[in-house]
Amino acid sequence: AQKITQTQPGMFVQEKEAVTLDCTYDTSDPSYGLFWYKQPSSGEMIFLIYQGSYDQQNATEGRYSLNFQKARKSANLVISASQLGDSAMYFCAMTGRFGNEKLTFGTGTRLTIIP
Amino acid sequence: DARVTQTPRHKVTEMGQEVTMRCQPILGHNTVFWYRQTMMQGLELLAYFRNRAPLDDSGMPKDRFSAEMPDATLATLKIQPSEPRDSAVYFCASGSGTGEDTQYFGPGTRLTVL
Repeated sequence: AQKITQTQPGMFVQEKEAVTLDCTYDTSDPSYGLFWYKQPSSGEMIFLIYQGSYDQQNATEGRYSLNFQKARKSANLVISASQLGDSAMYFCAMTGRFGNEKLTFGTGTRLTIIP
Repeated sequence: DARVTQTPRHKVTEMGQEVTMRCQPILGHNTVFWYRQTMMQGLELLAYFRNRAPLDDSGMPKDRFSAEMPDATLATLKIQPSEPRDSAVYFCASGSGTGEDTQYFGPGTRLTVL
């Protein structure tokens, strides 16, 4: 079974500062994928970034980067230069090996950017 | 701009009525997922398909829920009879089934059962 833990229910960050959202995971699959999704107040689920378990380098997508520490089973999301539009719920999720592609989600972190 | 589409976006119905939700996956994607989001349970998988064949429906109450893919461009989720506890947002997502396995979500159907 797979498990995602997000220990920060809510965070408040000043605009233009960097923010780190924590995520730890547990799985028995030898290969897996780690994802972050953003859910703004409008409700849609927006894919942000992906990290494969065998990827040597941390994933980056614009202002988003994933700090992947495999030995510690952590996959923290870093948002640089935060903007007001970054205010949303953020979900960490994972999939297992081929044939076990369902996403297992954490409980989410509500990020609020303060002007 | 390839997107997953879902209809209806909102549905209000009375207990006991049948509800059908539809999803059009991104063209070329061969895996389709149904998730449900509630305040109490968060996001949970109901069922998923690859190449139109069901692979996992263990998260779905079998007595009232059914999921099908009549063809590669349409997935349906049906609840019959609906109950107030089914009130939730139902998301469809699709993926290409490649090693990356990124799933792209539709806008969701917000279901309210009175």
